[in-house]
Amino acid sequence: DTAVSQTPKYLVTQMGNDKSIKCEQNLGHDTMYWYKQDSKKFLKIMFSYNNKELIINETVPNRFSPKSPDKAHLNLHINSLELGDSAVYFCASSQETSGTDTQYFGPGTRLTVL
Amino acid sequence: AQSVAQPEDQVNVAEGNPLTVKCTYSVSGNPYLFWYVQYPNRGLQFLLKYITGDNLVKGSYGFEAEFNKSQTSFHLKKPSALVSDSALYFCAVTSNYQLIWGAGTKLIIKP
Repeated sequence: DTAVSQTPKYLVTQMGNDKSIKCEQNLGHDTMYWYKQDSKKFLKIMFSYNNKELIINETVPNRFSPKSPDKAHLNLHINSLELGDSAVYFCASSQETSGTDTQYFGPGTRLTVL
Repeated sequence: AQSVAQPEDQVNVAEGNPLTVKCTYSVSGNPYLFWYVQYPNRGLQFLLKYITGDNLVKGSYGFEAEFNKSQTSFHLKKPSALVSDSALYFCAVTSNYQLIWGAGTKLIIKP
């Protein structure tokens, strides 16, 4: 069983479109995260949720909206996609919110905006 | 400002030789320190972490890391490198309830 899964694995779309990426974890963790990894492999946290409640909301354009229907799922919806949104997006989870706990990552979603 | 530095973009090591991937940090308090590895086209995997106690931490795949409080460093080491260790390695440090990530170091092990 995959601990943290994401769909789709690849996403190619045109500028201006709206798209969603889904994430699910079966580890029973309370906290989930979205990260963006750019072309230089730099990793940046975007959001974190704890039990469906938003904990971290970094400086991310409001075109990005996370949604957590339950603590096992954290989806990322992106409106009006731009070229600069092209990146790999990783979902992760951990038991605690404090940042001291090991995070488990999904395989990533490679988003390409044309 | 809180920061994590991985001073080398790339480290090249011959198979069988010892390897070191460097990490230094500037974070207040007593942070937790982590190393993660990312293989090509994969997500990050946890290697090891330092919480407290013994300054030498052992982790997965034969890796270990040495915490040095006075030098605010947490270098990743392995006594004998394998070609399969070739990957991207990230150091991360807790600060204000989240992880601060280094920029990553690409480790290349040559046969």
